[in-house]
Amino acid sequence: QVQLQESGPGLVKPSETLSLTCAVSGYSISSGYYWGWIRQPPGKGLEWIGSIYHSGSTYYNPSLKSRVTISVDTSKNQFSLKLSSVTAADTAVYYCARVSKHGSGIYWGQGTLVTVSS
Amino acid sequence: EIVMTQSPATLSVSPGERATLSCRASQSVSSNLAWYQQKPGQAPRLLIYGASTRATGIPARFSGSGSGTEFTLTISSLQSEDFAVYYCQQYNNWPRGLTFGGGTKVEIK
Repeated sequence: QVQLQESGPGLVKPSETLSLTCAVSGYSISSGYYWGWIRQPPGKGLEWIGSIYHSGSTYYNPSLKSRVTISVDTSKNQFSLKLSSVTAADTAVYYCARVSKHGSGIYWGQGTLVTVSS
Repeated sequence: EIVMTQSPATLSVSPGERATLSCRASQSVSSNLAWYQQKPGQAPRLLIYGASTRATGIPARFSGSGSGTEFTLTISSLQSEDFAVYYCQQYNNWPRGLTFGGGTKVEIK
């Protein structure tokens, strides 16, 4: 059974870059699916950040596109998120996810809280 | 961007009663609509995709309907474990994007 595990700093200073990694087990990233990131500010709703196909094609939320980079490392079976120039508004639980070919099903990691504060 | 609007924001229901949740899209998403359940401290769980197809392992008391811009999630007889927040999500433009509704909290009356 596939498992996704986020890792990275829980605290990031304003204006710095948030970096998270998602380790995938039980399934090879190279085999298919889209892999992505979704976030949820405390007490609020869900926001898609972006996704990457195993081939390396990337798709980003237009509202975040200028600050987001998603990459994949098939040798380590993991993918990563970088979000630059963070502010307090970027404080959220960040979920990594596997998304089906047509977008019809999201399988989520457990999520990790990232707080932006000095 | 397609905007998803859910109503009501909060629904108070007694155990055993029916719950009806609504989701509206700002433009047609055909049947490219999913529903998720989220409990406190947990990641969302897929309930319905294709507007009306239950995901693996989802009880029959959960049903979805609708197409175009109007969608409904119905829980026929609420169980204690069903009290949670429910989100709709459209994927009509996938992989170029997907958007979620603001959520409906189903609470015990």
